[in-house]
Amino acid sequence: QSALTQPASVSGSPGQSITISCTGTSNDVGRYDLVSWFQQHPGKAPKLIIFDVTKRPSGVSPRFSGSKSGSTASLTISGLQAEDEADYYCCSYAGRWFVVFGGGTKVSFL
Amino acid sequence: QLQLQESGPGLVKPSQTLSLTCTVSGGSVSSDDYYWSWVRQHPARGLEWIGYIYFSGSSYYSPSLRSRTSISVDTSKNQFSLKLTSVTAADTAVYYCARLVSDTSTFDIWGRGAMVTVSA
Repeated sequence: QSALTQPASVSGSPGQSITISCTGTSNDVGRYDLVSWFQQHPGKAPKLIIFDVTKRPSGVSPRFSGSKSGSTASLTISGLQAEDEADYYCCSYAGRWFVVFGGGTKVSFL
Repeated sequence: QLQLQESGPGLVKPSQTLSLTCTVSGGSVSSDDYYWSWVRQHPARGLEWIGYIYFSGSSYYSPSLRSRTSISVDTSKNQFSLKLTSVTAADTAVYYCARLVSDTSTFDIWGRGAMVTVSA
């Protein structure tokens, strides 16, 4: 199982929308609708923000949304705010009880 | 609200065994809806799945770490544990325990993490 591919960094202006991609294969992202996304601030544990490709846990801002096309999942952050500056990781079930993470994307302001 | 807390030595010598325990509070490790997991993060790098265990004892490991990894569960203490043998400097990382929802393969609750340094 290879790590899912994410861009190292994505930047945007306050109020803008940005999208982070997460590319896998037909054995993980492409096969299962079991993609999740995590937000991680420096020195903190990851926080679940999207699961099952598109679902948000209770309490997560609706500015975060997820989607998938083929073997690529995406996280969109709308109306970028200061507190959104963080690292973001995707994760997918990869069959046979395996789980695989993406390499992470650093979101920052322009 | 369920909480997870990692504990164990913060410094391990090369070639020795890294041992960490995760204590579950506010819920039961014996729930049949969840798996109990370990994930690590090397300094300034991404997340790496290590493995997870069901309360029955069934366990699953990352292929890259399987030969050196053992995860166990103690339902009487509401804890689960990680052992990683023959450690090197490359195993220096923050180790997180996390709950995995079985239906969605989602890590929904995480511990705060435990920094483990491998050094002589």
